[in-house]
Amino acid sequence: EPEVTQTPSHQVTQMGQEVILRCVPISNHLYFYWYRQILGQKVEFLVSFYNNEISEKSEIFDDQFSVERPDGSNFTLKIRSTKLEDSAMYFCASSESGGGMRDTQYFGPGTRLTVL
Amino acid sequence: KNEVEQSPQNLTAQEGEFITINCSYSVGISALHWLQQHPGGGIVSLFMLSSGKKKHGRLIATINIQEKHSSLHITASHPRDSAVYICAVGHRSGSEKLVFGKGTKLTVNP
Repeated sequence: EPEVTQTPSHQVTQMGQEVILRCVPISNHLYFYWYRQILGQKVEFLVSFYNNEISEKSEIFDDQFSVERPDGSNFTLKIRSTKLEDSAMYFCASSESGGGMRDTQYFGPGTRLTVL
Repeated sequence: KNEVEQSPQNLTAQEGEFITINCSYSVGISALHWLQQHPGGGIVSLFMLSSGKKKHGRLIATINIQEKHSSLHITASHPRDSAVYICAVGHRSGSEKLVFGKGTKLTVNP
């Protein structure tokens, strides 16, 4: 069964450093998402991406964040200058069509980001 | 006020018991999702529904649009059902995002 994959599974970085989290969505999917979950809290939407551009972003997704689909298979989330409060589990998801609210989203296993 | 409220927050059951987890929401939705989060953190989509009832194995999800309420039922619960169950909704407004509840932590003891 096709699945969303994410690398790395765990990333440790120093405050102020740039990190890139990588995702490979399911191959025929058209909509891509990033979510985050701070330890002990609920999952929060960060950004959605369709047709090579951001279709929606939350207030969390400020100028420190960016997303890219560099090569038609990978979908990346970059945090330019990490802060302690960026420590969280980051989930990538993808859906086939219709936008996330009308189609099942398939989640990756997550990347745990620890900022020291 | 949270747009999505789940109850209970924690639930402990004995193997074989019938489980019900509830979700209430305050916005107009296009669809409601039930998700399962394993102890390791991974998230699996269980159901997406916008009306009525869906069944998959021992899992049943129902939704009442008028009352803005959904339930997830697990029949003949098993220790491997132990996980966090999360309700999430997509807005009818056309927003792409899902809005998540805080989750219900289920522990099924043998």
